[in-house]
Amino acid sequence: EAEVAQSPRYKITEKSQAVAFWCDPISGHATLYWYRQILGQGPELLVQFQDESVVDDSQLPKDRFSAERLKGVDSTLKIQPAELGDSAMYLCASSLEVAAGYGNEQFFGPGTRLTVL
Amino acid sequence: RKEVEQDPGPFNVPEGATVAFNCTYSNSASQSFFWYRQDCRKEPKLLMSVYSSGNEDGRFTAQLNRASQYISLLIRDSKLSDSATYLCVVKVTGGFKTIFGAGTRLFVKA
Repeated sequence: EAEVAQSPRYKITEKSQAVAFWCDPISGHATLYWYRQILGQGPELLVQFQDESVVDDSQLPKDRFSAERLKGVDSTLKIQPAELGDSAMYLCASSLEVAAGYGNEQFFGPGTRLTVL
Repeated sequence: RKEVEQDPGPFNVPEGATVAFNCTYSNSASQSFFWYRQDCRKEPKLLMSVYSSGNEDGRFTAQLNRASQYISLLIRDSKLSDSATYLCVVKVTGGFKTIFGAGTRLFVKA
């Protein structure tokens, strides 16, 4: 069964350092999402790509976070500098998005658990 | 008011019980609806999509009420393995906004 791949699975860093997370969506999925999930809360959308274009980054803290999907396949999310409040699970998801209302179920990767010390 | 609201629970039920969760949404332009299941420290996994006509998959039944702007999930004959957090997901028309509820925790005990 096709899966969304993410790496690393765990990352411990000190505040003010830079961190980067990688995601490889299910083959053929045009839409890719990055979410942040704090313990006890639901996932919060950070950025959504349609192919290589950003279609929603309204909740992305752009002073420190950046995301790219250069060839419309895999994607990288970067934080620089990391802050204590960034400790969370970072989830990547992808969906087929054939047409509005169809094929838009999202499939998640295992996530990257970030701890900022 | 949050755009998607769920009762956080926890719901503590015995094996074999029937349990129901509701999720309310505020944006009338919401188009697609889903229930996801999330185990502790794991990623969310799609449980079922919610269609206007309702959806049933084994012991699980999902309903959509557009007039009152809520979706529901009914679990019959609860199993220990159903213990998890159930996330309600709403997607707004245009496909560019996906909102997760905070989740409802379910504990099924023997």
